[in-house]
Amino acid sequence: GAGVSQSPSNKVTEKGKDVELRCDPISGHTALYWYRQSLGQGLEFLIYFQGNSAPDKSGLPSDRFSAERTGGSVSTLTIQRTQQEDSAVYLCASSLSGQGNEKLFFGSGTQLSVL
Amino acid sequence: DAKTTQPPSMDCAEGRAANLPCNHSTISGNEYVYWYRQIHSQGPQYIIHGLKNNETNEMASLIITEDRKSSTLILPHATLRDTAVYYCIVRAYSGGGADGLTFGKGTHLIIQP
Repeated sequence: GAGVSQSPSNKVTEKGKDVELRCDPISGHTALYWYRQSLGQGLEFLIYFQGNSAPDKSGLPSDRFSAERTGGSVSTLTIQRTQQEDSAVYLCASSLSGQGNEKLFFGSGTQLSVL
Repeated sequence: DAKTTQPPSMDCAEGRAANLPCNHSTISGNEYVYWYRQIHSQGPQYIIHGLKNNETNEMASLIITEDRKSSTLILPHATLRDTAVYYCIVRAYSGGGADGLTFGKGTHLIIQP
């Protein structure tokens, strides 16, 4: 596609429910990144996928968070048993191959509100 | 933790040059300086990056000091649409992956009419 697409754009859920957030990267980009941005804060790195390699999960805040990337393209971030502190904007980005000199292309994010 | 330090906010008059500073005193020789900006309710947008030479593109100029410990992003003729949060990050060329992907709180640039 023309850019990184994320869905839904907004998600309201109740505490304790599971949610799934979707990211569709730019076609041909092998690197995919998930970030979280709480209100008034910077971007917190969550997880990174590169091709078929095992993902770098070093930023995931707890074992309630998981992500997968099927077929090297679309990625899903799953949050189990959501808590109010999970409320944030979840941003996805992709880059061509994951090299350090590449620019990241971001989606518009999913605004998650946990009531 | 972010490896860069930026002022939390700045004002600039419309039509004037906006100069946004960034301190990266612990930068390594193989790390690039990147600038992104985030307009309200959107994802961050790449602006420019450089290693040690000054760089210019259609959006901005990047001035990196000789010792590479700081840099300045210059928006030559700021418009109201340039109001955004500007992030400065450093990232190694060879590291890639998740290395150097921490964004701090950035600088909230407000362009005044």
